[in-house]
This record gives sequence, C-alpha cells and structure tokens, in this order.
Amino acid sequence: QVQLVESGGGVVQPGGSLRLSCAASGFTFSSYSMHWVRQAPGRGLEWVAIILYDGSSKNYADSVKGRFTISRDNSKNTLSLHMNSLRAEDTAVYYCARGCSSGGCHSPFDYWGQGTLVTVSS
Amino acid sequence: EIVLTQSPATLSLSPGERATLSCRASQSVNSYLAWYQQKPGQAPRLLIYDASNRATGIPARFSGSGSGTDFTLTVSSLEPEDFAVYYCQQRSNWPLTFGGGTKVEIK
Repeated sequence: QVQLVESGGGVVQPGGSLRLSCAASGFTFSSYSMHWVRQAPGRGLEWVAIILYDGSSKNYADSVKGRFTISRDNSKNTLSLHMNSLRAEDTAVYYCARGCSSGGCHSPFDYWGQGTLVTVSS
Repeated sequence: EIVLTQSPATLSLSPGERATLSCRASQSVNSYLAWYQQKPGQAPRLLIYDASNRATGIPARFSGSGSGTDFTLTVSSLEPEDFAVYYCQQRSNWPLTFGGGTKVEIK
C-alpha cells in the first residue's frame, strides 16, 4: 500500500534552518511528481512546492520562494524540503503529497503523509 | 493568484440531511478543481478530483459538479463520519491554491 512518512520537524529559532524528509513506499516513486503542503495551527491548507518526477522542474509558493528548496532522491524514494531563514509564520504542520504521474494526471493529491510539525519560535 | 472562496464558512446539519458546499474561483479553473475532507489531527483526504470524479474508495453519497468558476460539493445524506472540514483546491494555474474551508458541524 502507498505510504508517505514525513520526518524532521521540530522547534527552530527565527532565522534558522530545518530539513524535512518524506519517505515513500508502495508505489513507483520515480514516476510521480511530489508536493509539500502546509497548515498553520487552526488555519487552512497552503500549497508550498512541487518537484517533477525526475527532478527536472520545481515550483514554489511566493511565500517561501528563495528560502525553501525542494529536492528528491529517486534511488532512495525520498522527498526533501530544505527550509532556510525560517520565520514565525512558517510554523505549521508540513505534509508531503503525491502528485501527477509521468504518464498522466489522474487524481493528484490522492495520498498524503501524516504531517510533521515545524515550530519557529525563540 | 487564483482565489477560491468557499461558502458557507460553517454548515450546521443533522445526520441524514443533504449538504451543499460551494467553491467560487476568482477566474476560470476549467475543471481542475478538487475537494478534500479533513478531520482534526488528520491529513486531508481526496474526495473529488477534476470537479466531478470521485477518488478511489469514496462513497457515492459524495458528488461534485461545476466548471469554470462555480463548483459544488454535495453530500446526499450525511453520515456521522462526514462531519469535518472540507476544502476545495485548484490546479489550473500556479500557484496551486486552496479555499478557506467549510466546516460541516452537527446541528
């Protein structure tokens, strides 16, 4: 069965850095684009970033552009999010989610991880 | 950026009643509109993709309709497990955006 498991969350000071990981299993990871989506406490969902199945293209929300970097290692079935210059407003649960396949876009965001909490606070 | 406006913010209904949720886009998203259900402490769950297609394993009481700028999620007869927050999302334009959510609560 498809599984996405995030890790790496924690408490970090403003201006600090953190790296999140998402371990994928149960599907051909290298055939799917992947997303990060976040949710601030008590708030709605915010899309953060996407990386294509082969890593050839990436896109970011304006709120994180220039500070966050999405990457993937298809040999290890792992998605990452490198977060720099963290701000209080980056405090949120971060989810990884499966996107479209290289063969077509059928029901993207059909699988989500359980999320990992990032708290930016001094 | 495409803004998605969901209404109402809160819907108070009883089990067995019909729920009708609205999502309006600030510009056309064609049919690239999805609906999600989220319960406290859980990840979102895909219900409907491309406006009207039920995701795998989603009960037939959930249905989606609309195109362009106006979309509707209908739950034909609410079950106790359907009380949750529902979000719409567009994938027509970057950045991908979500609506603010509609909370369906027990009356």
